[in-house]
Amino acid sequence: TQLLEQSPQFLSIQEGENLTVYCNSSSVFSSLQWYRQEPGEGPVLLVTVVTGGEVKKLKRLTFQFGDARKDSSLHITAAQPGDTGLYLCAGARAGGGADGLTFGKGTHLIIQP
Amino acid sequence: DAGVTQSPTHLIKTRGQHVTLRCSPISGHKSVSWYQQVLGQGPQFIFQYYEKEERGRGNFPDRFSARQFPNYSSELNVNALLLGDSALYLCASSLFGARSGANVLTFGAGSRLTVL
Repeated sequence: TQLLEQSPQFLSIQEGENLTVYCNSSSVFSSLQWYRQEPGEGPVLLVTVVTGGEVKKLKRLTFQFGDARKDSSLHITAAQPGDTGLYLCAGARAGGGADGLTFGKGTHLIIQP
Repeated sequence: DAGVTQSPTHLIKTRGQHVTLRCSPISGHKSVSWYQQVLGQGPQFIFQYYEKEERGRGNFPDRFSARQFPNYSSELNVNALLLGDSALYLCASSLFGARSGANVLTFGAGSRLTVL
C-alpha cells in the first residue's frame, strides 16, 4: 500500500519554466526527504525536512513541509535540462519505527531545451 | 571516498533459482537497508540492519532474507525466484539505525535482477 501519493506522475516542460511537484499522505511523518534518481543510478538525497511548515531552498529548488507534516512540495524555478530525472519523496514514520522509509511512486520530470 | 558499492550490477536468473546480492556501505556507516524498486514504482523497504542485527523488515515473504557481516557489509538472498521479483535492488547505508528521525541514506546504484 502506497501511503505517499505524488503528483503529477509525468511532467514535460520547456527550459526556463517553473513547476511544482506534490507529495501527499493521510499519515503523519517525523521527517520527509526528497530524492532525485537518474536512469541506472540509485536515488540521491536532495533535502530532508523535519519541522511542520519548514521551507528549505537549494539553489533553484524550494522544498516545503506541510504544517501537519503530512504533505510536501518541491518547486523548481527556471527549470534546466539538467533537472531532468525521477523525483521521489520519502517519509519516515512518526515515532521512529524500524520500518524504513516509505517512498512515493515518483514524478518523472523532463525539461526540454 | 568510495560510496555504497553493490554487486553484481546486472544479473539474469530463471524462476525457482536463488540469488545473492552484495553491498558494501560507506566506510564508518553501521546501518544497511535494502529496497526493491520495480519498474515504474518507488523503492519499497525490505530490510534494515544495524550493528549486525535486523532492526526492521518490510512486507516481503520469507523467501527474502539478509544478513550483515562484522565489517558491516551485507547480503540479500532471495530463494525460489518468481517473475515478479524482477526489479532493481537498492542498498543504502547510513550512520544510524532507523530510530533517528532524520536518518540520511546514501544509496548504491543497485543490482538489476531479471527473472525469466
